[in-house]
Amino acid sequence: KAGVTQTPRYLIKTRGQQVTLSCSPISGHRSVSWYQQTPGQGLQFLFEYFSETQRNKGNFPGRFSGRQFSNSRSEMNVSTLELGDSALYLCASSRAGDRGEREQYFGPGTRLTVT
Amino acid sequence: EDQVTQSPEALRLQEGESSSLNCSYTVSGLRGLFWYRQDPGKGPEFLFTLYSAGEEKEKERLKATLTKKESFLHITAPKPEDSATYLCAVQAKETSGSRLTFGEGTQLTVNP
Repeated sequence: KAGVTQTPRYLIKTRGQQVTLSCSPISGHRSVSWYQQTPGQGLQFLFEYFSETQRNKGNFPGRFSGRQFSNSRSEMNVSTLELGDSALYLCASSRAGDRGEREQYFGPGTRLTVT
Repeated sequence: EDQVTQSPEALRLQEGESSSLNCSYTVSGLRGLFWYRQDPGKGPEFLFTLYSAGEEKEKERLKATLTKKESFLHITAPKPEDSATYLCAVQAKETSGSRLTFGEGTQLTVNP
């Protein structure tokens, strides 16, 4: 069974630009969550999508947004990039019923560098 | 606010030298506690889920246990390939979805 895939794997952008990252979950998984990982802050939750609806949102500014398509694939967008947005962006999928208690499986991440 | 604290931050062991990693948590109501392993440059790899105090789970040289305030990841006779960062995360009952709150991790190095 294929795992979670993320594209692109590496990205270099300039301050002020915007970026879109893509995530394909494990087949049959309806929940997709996004996390930001930095050396100083660790893994921080951005948002979760389930059945094309945002179910949870972390404490990130509105520049961070996402969406989910009918095939459960998800994208996240960051507008007006700042140097502090440089991080590893991780996508995780789970089978997650309404109570969302199932384990999450992570993709390899997208390494974003903002210069 | 949910909080997860892991200790130690870093641990260096000799091959075969058993030890334990600690994960202390504060959550209004625990739905599940998760352990992950992360290798450099890769996404976290799922290891275990624990749901209630007293529960234990094992996989090869790893054993995870859970109390009402903390979880331990016991590593028995570790090998160099066990070197990685081990992450602990909690999911709160009040969360309608899959949101996880992570600790900072313990970086484990096993020397041959």
